[in-house]
Amino acid sequence: EIVLTQSPATLSLSPGERATLSCRASQTVSSYLAWYQQKPGQAPRLLIYDASNRATDIPARFSGSGSGTDFTLTISGLEPEDFAVYYCQQRSNWPLTFGGGTKVEIK
Amino acid sequence: EVQLVESGGGLVQPGGSLRLSCVASGFTFSNYAMTWVRQAPGKGLEWVSGITSGGGATYYADSVKGRFTISRDNSKNTLYLQMNSLRAEDTAVYYCAKGLESYASSWGDYWGQGTLVTVSS
Repeated sequence: EIVLTQSPATLSLSPGERATLSCRASQTVSSYLAWYQQKPGQAPRLLIYDASNRATDIPARFSGSGSGTDFTLTISGLEPEDFAVYYCQQRSNWPLTFGGGTKVEIK
Repeated sequence: EVQLVESGGGLVQPGGSLRLSCVASGFTFSNYAMTWVRQAPGKGLEWVSGITSGGGATYYADSVKGRFTISRDNSKNTLYLQMNSLRAEDTAVYYCAKGLESYASSWGDYWGQGTLVTVSS
């Protein structure tokens, strides 16, 4: 099973700042990586798929990069609604797996 | 508007069974893969199972293989998860998700609000 390690576990930032989240895979997943956002009490929302493609209606401040084993989700300027937990997921190998999440909290 | 509505969760004793349902609307259900993902209280996301658009191929996490069965009825726009031999560690909110494409490993682009399964005596 491919293990996805997300860092940091918690990111404390102020609105307007840039957020950089990392996801590292235990073996290559090519570009088969996605990012999801989850707010308390809500279902996850797909943000980025295939490493760098924004999903429908996702603002341009969200961007994804990387390939192989190292991936980054960047939020170029945090809006109040962006404070949430972010998960990466791979679909390169069965079983599909998620990372443990990064919580972006208000500083 | 895409909508996914899960039902069938509840309290069940260890060793018991439950069947979850997910009714879909707002898209052509038979064209897309579907997935179940769960989240234990206060924990992260865990992929559980996926099924291709036509139902011909199914995949499972090792933690549920042999106990859970995913299926779909495209005439009823409904996805199912039959859960047998339930354990305390199966306690979670179960989400169904629509796949971005027809293959079982496709990304979940729309999600339901989830249904809570509690396994306890």
